[in-house]
Amino acid sequence: EAQVTQNPRYLITVTGKKLTVTCSQNMNHEYMSWYRQDPGLGLRQIYYSMNVEVTDKGDVPEGYKVSRKEKRNFPLILESPSPNQTSLYFCASSYGQGREQFFGPGTRLTVL
Amino acid sequence: GQQLNQSPQSMFIQEGEDVSMNCTSSSIFNTWLWYKQDPGEGPVLLIALYKAGELTSNGRLTAQFGTTRKDSFLNISASIPSDVGIYFCAGQVDSNYQLIWGAGTKLIIKP
Repeated sequence: EAQVTQNPRYLITVTGKKLTVTCSQNMNHEYMSWYRQDPGLGLRQIYYSMNVEVTDKGDVPEGYKVSRKEKRNFPLILESPSPNQTSLYFCASSYGQGREQFFGPGTRLTVL
Repeated sequence: GQQLNQSPQSMFIQEGEDVSMNCTSSSIFNTWLWYKQDPGEGPVLLIALYKAGELTSNGRLTAQFGTTRKDSFLNISASIPSDVGIYFCAGQVDSNYQLIWGAGTKLIIKP
């Protein structure tokens, strides 16, 4: 089954404790992206990757890091999480940046 | 970053009613996409539009690419309970640019 998977689905952590949210897709998509969703603000792009070893900042990259060492994986790293990063996070992938994006199920992160 | 103006922000409707929502932009777009997000899940593509004036249907859903290329509309006919969720529009200037997302329209069906 073609899908985008994210782990964990739910995470409660404390300020400053490094964490990684994994994202994997099995559709051989070149393009991958991370979004955060906050009430009233819709989906805001954090980082995106056009291909392996190619990443770029989206609209709200501060406090986040990503890497794209393999085509299928695109982890999101929070080196020192803060409460304002409490949000719902989505990973997405597609054949290109203007093409249909397939979304993962989301990761709900709470930073205390 | 730039955002689309999506309206309304939320809608309370009776089952069986028709629904209309729209997105407008100050920029000309070459692509409009409409997604739906069910509660607790990621957004799923409903309709993609690639040509000004294009009118595309997907079951009870119909979307239009505005002739000015600065707006798009989504209509849902005869709403049913499973239509509840958040509907997002997304647009793209051209293939060299990222998708720009609307803030979403939350659809709630009154019991």
